[in-house]
Amino acid sequence: GAGVSQSPSNKVTEKGKDVELRCDPISGHTALYWYRQSLGQGLEFLIYFQGNSAPDKSGLPSDRFSAERTGGSVSTLTIQRTQQEDSAVYLCASSLDISNQPQHFGDGTRLSIL
Amino acid sequence: GENVEQHPSTLSVQEGDSAVIKCTYSDSASNYFPWYKQELGKRPQLIIDIRSNVGEKKDQRIAVTLNKTAKHFSLHITETQPEDSAVYFCATLSGGANNLFFGTGTRLTVIP
Repeated sequence: GAGVSQSPSNKVTEKGKDVELRCDPISGHTALYWYRQSLGQGLEFLIYFQGNSAPDKSGLPSDRFSAERTGGSVSTLTIQRTQQEDSAVYLCASSLDISNQPQHFGDGTRLSIL
Repeated sequence: GENVEQHPSTLSVQEGDSAVIKCTYSDSASNYFPWYKQELGKRPQLIIDIRSNVGEKKDQRIAVTLNKTAKHFSLHITETQPEDSAVYFCATLSGGANNLFFGTGTRLTVIP
C-alpha cells in the first residue's frame, strides 16, 4: 500500500483479556518498529524487526508483550492479560531498512482497557 | 541508553513570528536527528531530518541546526501559520541501537 496500515484503529477491551494489533508496513520496507504513546507523552520504543533477523525486544515493558512478523511483512503485537496501564496509542513505523531512515508511521491503534 | 530532552513543552507565537524548539541528547554516537509533527489524533509525520555530517538543513520555512559538540539540535519555523499548530517531537538514532529515542514533545500554538 501507499503507507503504513494499522488495524484496528480503536480497540476497547476488558482488563485481563488478550489483544492483537496488526501492522502492514510500506511495501519494500524491511525494517518495522512498534512504539507506544501514552496520553500527552512522547513515543516509547517497544520492538523492531529487520528482515528475517531476530527482533530487538529490548523495549518491551513486560513478558505480557510479544510481537511476530510473518514472512518479513505484516507484524502482530500481542498483549496478554491486559492491564489498565496498557491503555495507549500503539504506533507502527517502517523504513527501507535499519540503516536507511526515515521511519514512516501508521495512524496507530488506540487501545483502551476498562 | 540515550536521553533526549526537549524544550519548551508548550510554545505560543503570533502568526508570522518564528518558533524555535530545542533538544539535547546524551549519546555522542547518535548520528540521525529527525523532527516529527503530530496533529491531534493523527500519525507523526516527518517534517525534516539531519544527519551528523552536516550542521544545518533548510526546507522552505523549516530549518534544523545541529551542534554535535554540544549535543543539541534545534527546529526553526519562520513565518508561522495557524496550520503549523501541532505537537512537534525531536528524535535521535543512536549508533549503538536502531530505534528512535523521542523527546517529550512541544505543543506549538500559532495565534492568528
